[in-house]
Amino acid sequence: AQSVAQPEDQVNVAEGNPLTVKCTYSVSGNPYLFWYVQYPNRGLQFLLKYITGDNLVKGSYGFEAEFNKSQTSFHLKKPSALVSDSALYFCAVLSTSGTYKYIFGTGTRLKVLA
Amino acid sequence: DTGVSQNPRHKITKRGQNVTFRCDPISEHNRLYWYRQTLGQGPEFLTYFQNEAQLEKSRLLSDRFSAERPKGSFSTLEIQRTEQGDSAMYLCASSSLGAEAFFGQGTRLTVV
Repeated sequence: AQSVAQPEDQVNVAEGNPLTVKCTYSVSGNPYLFWYVQYPNRGLQFLLKYITGDNLVKGSYGFEAEFNKSQTSFHLKKPSALVSDSALYFCAVLSTSGTYKYIFGTGTRLKVLA
Repeated sequence: DTGVSQNPRHKITKRGQNVTFRCDPISEHNRLYWYRQTLGQGPEFLTYFQNEAQLEKSRLLSDRFSAERPKGSFSTLEIQRTEQGDSAMYLCASSSLGAEAFFGQGTRLTVV
């Protein structure tokens, strides 16, 4: 079965420090991986994706993510956190075996402290 | 095109009533998804369409739930005989094959 795990419910980081939000996945075949951000009472907003190519992908608002096939991980990173980055972050995988549905992790709440 | 649009944004209904939500996807996207999200949780897959065909329906979806996508354009999600456990945010998303999904703002359902 295809799945996504986000091992941390919450990540706290000081403003200006680098941040990492972890994600591991389990898929059959090549993974299509995504990160989304959600602000209170809003829908999910796409940040970045990995389909193929370079293992380091860059996305919106200065975020990037590193795909690691051997560790089956797709961690979200940002070199310098902003207070406005505080939100709920979801990792997702697109299931491509049989049906094409997005499977989401349980989410990680990022809190950037001023 | 302004993205995925969902209506209404909020719905309060009495237990036992029927409700219907509408989703207007990005026009060139052939895939449309419905998810349900409860507070602090990740989105749970409910169902999806490719054009007008409903290709998968989650086992989470009881027979009180039905979704349609006539003519492969907008979609509706109907919940019959609502229960308090149906209270959640209902999210619609659309995508092209293999690409990222774009989400609407969601419809927050409260069953009282």
